[in-house]
Formats: sequence, structure tokens, C-alpha cells
Amino acid sequence: AQRVTQPEKLLSVFKGAPVELKCNYSYSGSPELFWYVQYSRQRLQLLLRHISRESIKGFTADLNKGETSFHLKKPFAQEEDSAMYYCGLQWASGSRLTFGEGTQLTVNP
Amino acid sequence: DTAVSQTPKYLVTQMGNDKSIKCEQNLGHDTMYWYKQDSKKFLKIMFSYNNKELIINETVPNRFSPKSPDKAHLNLHINSLELGDSAVYFCASSQGGGTPQHFGDGTRLSIL
Repeated sequence: AQRVTQPEKLLSVFKGAPVELKCNYSYSGSPELFWYVQYSRQRLQLLLRHISRESIKGFTADLNKGETSFHLKKPFAQEEDSAMYYCGLQWASGSRLTFGEGTQLTVNP
Repeated sequence: DTAVSQTPKYLVTQMGNDKSIKCEQNLGHDTMYWYKQDSKKFLKIMFSYNNKELIINETVPNRFSPKSPDKAHLNLHINSLELGDSAVYFCASSQGGGTPQHFGDGTRLSIL
């Protein structure tokens, strides 16, 4: 069965500090991994997907198959990054998207 | 020009009532979903339809019944509402096959 774990429910950093949101997964096949972001009382939006290997809003995430991780990183956090972040796993050929529990990031001034 | 739109945005009703939430997408996607986000912000899939056919049906009380009149619409009907149904319900759509999902704004359901 596929499972996604985000060990930190809450994460608080100061503006300009590096931030890393952890995501670990368990899945036996070839996963598609995503990070979605939900700003206060807004819809979920796709932030990153592992196959595109791009940087969005200064965030990057690398898939580490050995450690089964897909941590989200940003070298210098901004106040506008404060939001709920969800890591998601999807079958490469299926549609079920399993989310982690979410990490509420707060960036303090 | 909203891609995935849900109505209503807010729904306040009493225990025992029956209510529906509507969802429409104009992205031409084949697959639509309903998710429930509880008070702890945990997000869990409830249902998924592909071309009007039910493909995912998680362990959800049978008081919840999805209906897809066409592939651009997926409505959620809830019978005999209970206090525990209070949550934010998100509709989403995708092309399937591991492609990203596009979410609606959510419907905040509050049961009195």
C-alpha cells in the first residue's frame, strides 16, 4: 500500500533562514511525487512535481529513491511562504493521490 | 475563468438534513475527485470518477453518494448529515495517469 509521511505537523522559521519540509513515502512501484501548497483559506495548488525537476518560488525537491524521500527545500524563506504544504504520491499510471498529513509552515519576520 | 468551480462555498445546515455540493471543471479533464479536509487539515480522497465511471470509492459512509452526469461534472450528495461531516470538501480534476490535479476552492460544510 502507498503511504506518505510528513513528520512535522508545524514548522516555524525566521525570514531569510533555510527551510526544509520533510516527506517520506512507501510504495513498491514507480511513484509520481508532488508538493501542493494551500495558502490560508485558499485552494490547493500544485507547487512541484518530481519529474519536472524545476524550481518554483525558490523551492526545490529531489526524489531520493534510496531513502524514499522527497523533501522540499528553500534556501531563504519569505513571509509569503507561510502556508500548509502537502506531499502527495500518485501511481505512475493510476489516479489515486495519497497525501501526507501536511506541514504548516510559518515564516516569522 | 475558474478551472474547477464548486458551489456553494459555504454550507451551514442542521443535523439530519440532506445537502448537495456541485462541482464543474472546464479543463477537459477525464477524471474528477472529491476530497475531505478535516479539522486537523488532514486531506483524504473520498471518490474518483473517470469519464462518468466510479474508479475510486474509499471507505466512506454510504450516506455520501457521488453523481457524475457528464465528465465535466461531479456532484456530492450527503444524506442525514452528522456532526462529524463538518469539514472542507474539495473537488479536483486531472487528465489521470499520474498528472497533477487541479483543485476547486472548497466547500466549508458546518453542521449545527
